Amino acid sequence: NAGVTQTPKFQVLKTGQSMTLQCAQDMNHNSMYWYRQDPGMGLRLIYYSASEGTTDKGEVPNGYNVSRLNKREFSLRLESAAPSQTSVYFCASNALPATNEKLFFGSGTQLSVL
Amino acid sequence: DQQVKQNSPSLSVQEGRISILNCDYTNSMFDYFLWYKKYPAEGPTFLISISSIKDKNEDGRFTVFLNKSAKHLSLHIVPSQPGDSAVYFCAASAYNNDMRFGAGTRLTVKP
Repeated sequence: NAGVTQTPKFQVLKTGQSMTLQCAQDMNHNSMYWYRQDPGMGLRLIYYSASEGTTDKGEVPNGYNVSRLNKREFSLRLESAAPSQTSVYFCASNALPATNEKLFFGSGTQLSVL
Repeated sequence: DQQVKQNSPSLSVQEGRISILNCDYTNSMFDYFLWYKKYPAEGPTFLISISSIKDKNEDGRFTVFLNKSAKHLSLHIVPSQPGDSAVYFCAASAYNNDMRFGAGTRLTVKP
């Protein structure tokens, strides 16, 4: 019963480097999300995928791209990392799109951009 | 613009007493409210929720109260236990499932 699995758990990048955060869920959920958590800001939605084949911008999408590879996997890419992207990133999923279904979260990726 | 606000960054309570965590929101389109609990180095986990058609929802030691006219909700934990020590996030969503989170309140329950 893995739930939502994120890799890597920790990453240090230099400004301008690129990287992809991976996320997979094994609960057959339709919708997947990427959030970032910053001190004093709570969790802010970066991008989401309501169902396989669709992606939409959230509250803070600038500097990120996403790919819904299949129903299980949803990746987040930083093309040119900036210090402002230093944060903890959480992937989440839920069963149905456009509902108030609770979210299931991964354990997070702590990213530092120097 | 922070549409969901938790104005108390931290709260300390004695074991056995009541913990009350507060949350305010500004968007009148929110119709579903949730509380998540987060331990260090883990992702948030769902705790309890309430629909806007209700004013109270109870699950064991946890009760959430909603005051729509004041755009305010609160989470009551009775009795508080040391294992309840965590960061609690309030969240709200509208029909499009755009879930917005507060900044969190760190609860410490002292033995």
